[in-house]
Amino acid sequence: DGGITQSPKYLFRKEGQNVTLSCEQNLNHDAMYWYRQDPGQGLRLIYYSQIVNDFQKGDIAEGYSVSREKKESFPLTVTSAQKNPTAFYLCASSIDRSSSYEQYFGPGTRLTVT
Amino acid sequence: EDKVVQSPLSLVVHEGDTVTLNCSYEVTNFRSLLWYKQEKKAPTFLFMLTSSGIEKKSGRLSSILDKKELSSILNITATQTGDSAIYLCAEAAGNKLTFGGGTRVLVKP
Repeated sequence: DGGITQSPKYLFRKEGQNVTLSCEQNLNHDAMYWYRQDPGQGLRLIYYSQIVNDFQKGDIAEGYSVSREKKESFPLTVTSAQKNPTAFYLCASSIDRSSSYEQYFGPGTRLTVT
Repeated sequence: EDKVVQSPLSLVVHEGDTVTLNCSYEVTNFRSLLWYKQEKKAPTFLFMLTSSGIEKKSGRLSSILDKKELSSILNITATQTGDSAIYLCAEAAGNKLTFGGGTRVLVKP
């Protein structure tokens, strides 16, 4: 059963702690993306990766870091430098690394930092 | 900076009504315009539009792109309560998608 999985579904952290969100895909897609969604708003791009061991900053990369050591995995770390980390985080992938075209989304992780 | 704007922000309709959602974009290196439906969690893909004036249709949903006006509309006819969702449009340019803020649609029985 192919798809994108994100874990955990809900995550609670204290302010000042780093936290890593998992994203795994078995679609054999080259490109992977991380978005943040705040209540009542659209998706904003944090980071994206078009190929293993390479990634680029999106529109709101400050306070976040990523790695892409394997094709299937694209974890996102929310660092203590991120001023407003509470949000819904969505991971996506697409088959074509030269263009984004249709992206497939994971179920998301809702992060709450207090 | 690329910008995608959706209107209206939200709307409430009754079952059976027709809904028209708007999406405008300002973008260089435009490749395509995509529509997604987001109910509770992950957005699900609806349409991808690359050519102007060609309507794409799926059941009661349809969408068309106007490259001259840099806009797209998504129509939903004979709405049902299951159509209640946030509808997102996104433009694909270069290597990434830029999303609009979404339109929240509530269909009342």
